[in-house]
Amino acid sequence: DVKVTQSSRYLVKRTGEKVFLECVQDMDHENMFWYRQDPGLGLRLIYFSYDVKMKEKGDIPEGYSVSREKKERFSLILESASTNQTSMYLCASSSSPTTSGSLYNEQFFGPGTRLTVL
Amino acid sequence: LAKTTQPISMDSYEGQEVNITCSHNNIATNDYITWYQQFPSQGPRFIIQGYKTKVTNEVASLFIPADRKSSTLSLPRVSLSDTAVYYCLVGRPDTGRRALTFGSGTRLQVQP
Repeated sequence: DVKVTQSSRYLVKRTGEKVFLECVQDMDHENMFWYRQDPGLGLRLIYFSYDVKMKEKGDIPEGYSVSREKKERFSLILESASTNQTSMYLCASSSSPTTSGSLYNEQFFGPGTRLTVL
Repeated sequence: LAKTTQPISMDSYEGQEVNITCSHNNIATNDYITWYQQFPSQGPRFIIQGYKTKVTNEVASLFIPADRKSSTLSLPRVSLSDTAVYYCLVGRPDTGRRALTFGSGTRLQVQP
């Protein structure tokens, strides 16, 4: 089974702190994603990556950056945390259909990190 | 962009069939339709995917009419454990961000 793990289930930080959220997948997936989820807003894409050292902005990248130095690991960085970044953060991974024959958009999600910024 | 529209919420009773419809009027020729399920405090889970006509697996069926401007997720004989949020997505990853919009989903509440 595909396993996507996130470094913390719950995290409390203070305004202005630099925050690192780590995500690791064990299925050699090419694609990795970071979302945030807020009540009534569904999942919103922050950043995604189709390859090592490659990143693309999603719908709400402001205030965030990412790093993908290794294929299995995708990090989300909050350079200076603010209270409006209090949210549930979800990481996902998927393989590329052209290489694996898998379905399009079949993303595997981690359990999420609930971040509170005080 | 292939925006999707779903009902915000639906209610049902155990044992009933539930149909959730998603509208996607601007679907492109190469787009696929994918449905996810999310339980509280968990990440979404892939349910089913289709391109046209009907797809069925052990969990659900997906009906897509010829014009592909809508799709219907059908859950047979729901149980309390089917209470979740269901998301409809349209697109393909290789078309960039366009493929990755989840929207607000449909909150299904199954009553005993």
